[in-house]
Amino acid sequence: AQSVTQLGSHVSVSEGALVLLRCNYSSSVPPYLFWYVQYPNQGLQLLLKYTSAATLVKGINGFEAEFKKSETSFHLTKPSAHMSDAAEYFCAVVDTGGFKTIFGAGTRLFVKA
Amino acid sequence: EAQVTQNPRYLITVTGKKLTVTCSQNMNHEYMSWYRQDPGLGLRQIYYSMNVEVTDKGDVPEGYKVSRKEKRNFPLILESPSPNQTSLYFCASSFGTEREQYFGPGTRLTVT
Repeated sequence: AQSVTQLGSHVSVSEGALVLLRCNYSSSVPPYLFWYVQYPNQGLQLLLKYTSAATLVKGINGFEAEFKKSETSFHLTKPSAHMSDAAEYFCAVVDTGGFKTIFGAGTRLFVKA
Repeated sequence: EAQVTQNPRYLITVTGKKLTVTCSQNMNHEYMSWYRQDPGLGLRQIYYSMNVEVTDKGDVPEGYKVSRKEKRNFPLILESPSPNQTSLYFCASSFGTEREQYFGPGTRLTVT
């Protein structure tokens, strides 16, 4: 069965530092891959998605993610963290040809002043 | 405004009392889905629907029912709620081919 692993339930960075949130999936066939962000007391909103058009995907708020098939990874990065980036981030996969969605457990990002 | 709405936003109920959480979207999306969010577990899919009258189980369907009689609505039914169904519930929708989902604001359910 498909699974998604997010390494680190909590990540803390200083303002202006690099943000790296890790996501690995288990499928042998590249699925659709997504990063969503959840701010406190809100629903989830899409940050970016990979759908096989390009391995480096740019999203909103300066985030980007790189799909690496050989590593079955889709890590999320941002060059310079801002206080407003503090939130919980979820990686998700959907099998191509299907609609079942698997989410990772989430990574809460803390940004220190 | 394009949106997914859920009602109620907060609900406290007792074990065994049937309840329905409504979900509606105004984007003409084919696909709709229900998730529950629990600390440390992320979101887990309960049921999803690919179109009217077409539904399928997600990873945690036990204790839940759904129906899709209209394209815009996808209610979640708990016929006999139990305390282990205390959770934060999200409805989502998308165009079938895109797979990216638009989420509602969530419904916080407490079953005592």
